[in-house]
Amino acid sequence: AQSVTQLGSHVSVSEGALVLLRCNYSSSVPPYLFWYVQYPNQGLQLLLKYTTGATLVKGINGFEAEFKKSETSFHLTKPSAHMSDAAEYFCAVRGMNTGNQFYFGTGTSLTVIP
Amino acid sequence: EAGVVQSPRYKIIEKKQPVAFWCNPISGHNTLYWYLQNLGQGPELLIRYENEEAVDDSQLPKDRFSAERLKGVDSTLKIQPAELGDSAVYLCASSLGQGPNEQFFGPGTRLTVL
Repeated sequence: AQSVTQLGSHVSVSEGALVLLRCNYSSSVPPYLFWYVQYPNQGLQLLLKYTTGATLVKGINGFEAEFKKSETSFHLTKPSAHMSDAAEYFCAVRGMNTGNQFYFGTGTSLTVIP
Repeated sequence: EAGVVQSPRYKIIEKKQPVAFWCNPISGHNTLYWYLQNLGQGPELLIRYENEEAVDDSQLPKDRFSAERLKGVDSTLKIQPAELGDSAVYLCASSLGQGPNEQFFGPGTRLTVL
């Protein structure tokens, strides 16, 4: 079975600082990888996804993530944090051989300090 | 294009009462998911439908939970009777076909059991 580990359930950064949210997955075959964001009282919204091809993926709101097969990682970054980035972030995987099943990490709550 | 619609957004009931949640997925999306999300946690799959067929309901507490997806479109999730521990957010999501397609989430229903 697939699994997703998000290191750090809470991350705080200053406004304008680099955002780094970590995600590692376990899979013998590189899966499809996703990052979602959830604002209070809302559903999850897709930030970006990796399927095949270029390992550096750009998403909405200035976020990007890099797929590193050797490290089984898919960390999310943003060069400069904005107050509006404060939210819950979830990493998810979808195995190529597991049909339409998604596996989510436990989430990382991002706080942006003014 | 309309997103995933869920109703109600909020529900407060007393324990042992029944409750039902409704979901209308994005038009044409054959896969529908119901998730449970506890505070500070990632979504946990309850049931997944491929068209009308429930293909993964291994995590659905079948003694009190039931779901249906008539005609492969709308879906209803029911709890009867509700318990205090059922208080959570219930998320519905849909996706299109196989492969790297992401899930689209509804806003969720926040259930409070008193």
